[in-house]
Formats: sequence, structure tokens, C-alpha cells
Amino acid sequence: NAGVTQTPKFQVLKTGQSMTLQCAQDMNHNSMYWYRQDPGMGLRLIYYSASEGTTDKGEVPNGYNVSRLNKREFSLRLESAAPSQTSVYFCASSVTGQGYTFGSGTRLTVV
Amino acid sequence: QQQVKQSPQSLIVQKGGISIINCAYENTAFDYFPWYQQFPGKGPALLIAIRPDVSEKKEGRFTISFNKSAKQFSLHIMDSQPGDSATYFCAASPRTGANNLFFGTGTRLTVIP
Repeated sequence: NAGVTQTPKFQVLKTGQSMTLQCAQDMNHNSMYWYRQDPGMGLRLIYYSASEGTTDKGEVPNGYNVSRLNKREFSLRLESAAPSQTSVYFCASSVTGQGYTFGSGTRLTVV
Repeated sequence: QQQVKQSPQSLIVQKGGISIINCAYENTAFDYFPWYQQFPGKGPALLIAIRPDVSEKKEGRFTISFNKSAKQFSLHIMDSQPGDSATYFCAASPRTGANNLFFGTGTRLTVIP
């Protein structure tokens, strides 16, 4: 019963470096999401994928790209990391109209 | 612009007391209102959820009260325990579209023995 698996759990990047955050779910959910969590700001949606083959921007998409590789996997890429992207990133999945299942997060620091 | 406003930011309650967290929204298209509980170092986990066709939903010590006309909903934790100490997020999503959840800013609850 893995649920939603995120890798890596921690990462430190230098400004300008790139990286990809990986997310996989084993619940056969159609929809997948990437959120960032910052103190005092709650969780803000970066990108989402309502179904395999589709992706759309959320509230804070600038500086990010995503790929819905297949039904299970949804990755988030930072092409040129900036200190403002220091955050905790959560991937989630859901069946439409139901609650989300979240992964355990990736804590990213950009120096 | 915060679509869901949550208060208070932090809350300290004695063991056995009642914890109350409030949320308000403006978008009348919202029709699903979940609450999430998050422990340090973990992802948020669904606690309880309500739809606007009912005014209250209870699961164990956790109750959601929903006021459609005021566009407000709240979480009540009865007989609060130290193990309830966590951050709580309210959220809302619209009835159409991709089921995107809009979250409140969170309430850090501390239950003291």
C-alpha cells in the first residue's frame, strides 16, 4: 500500500541548476497534482494533470514544467532553480470528486 | 488572492477541551469542503469532508459544521488530545473542472496535557 511516492525527500541546489522531482501513484487515480507549501501560505497549486496526456497550470506555475509520463507518474522540473523556489513540494493524486492522497514531500533548498 | 480564508493561525487548547478552526470562502461554485491534518515531516492526510447538501458531518471526535448562506465552515475537535497536535488545513473545490483543491493557510494546533 505505497500510495503516492515522491523522490527525492531532500535536495539542495545551487541557483541556476536544474532538477526533476519524481512522483508515482499506485491507486489507479486519474488526476495528479503538484503543490508547494510555504510558511503562512498554505498549499499552492503549481500544475495539475486531470488525466493521462493532459497538463494545466495552477496558481503558481512560473519557473516549473511538468510531464505526465503515464497514468502512474507525474514529474515536476525546475529548469533554472531560484532561491524563491525553496519550499516543500507535495505531489497528490485523486479520483475526480474525491479527496486527495498526498506523498510525503520533497524539501528543496536553493542556495 | 486567497480563495479560502482560515483562522486562527495558531491555537492552544487544554487536553479535553474543544478545538475550533474556521474557514470562509467566496466562490459559490465550490461544492466539496475537506479538512486535512498534517504532522511535521509528513504530507497532509484527509481527515473529514462535507458537501453543501448537509449542515453537519461527524466522524468520531471530529465534526464539520457548514453554513452555506454565510459561506463558512468550521472544524470542531471534541475532547482534544495531545496526539491531535498538528497543522490543519481547510480546502474547497468546485463542482466542475479538474477537482482542484484551494487550501486555507493552515492552523497549527497544540493540545497541552
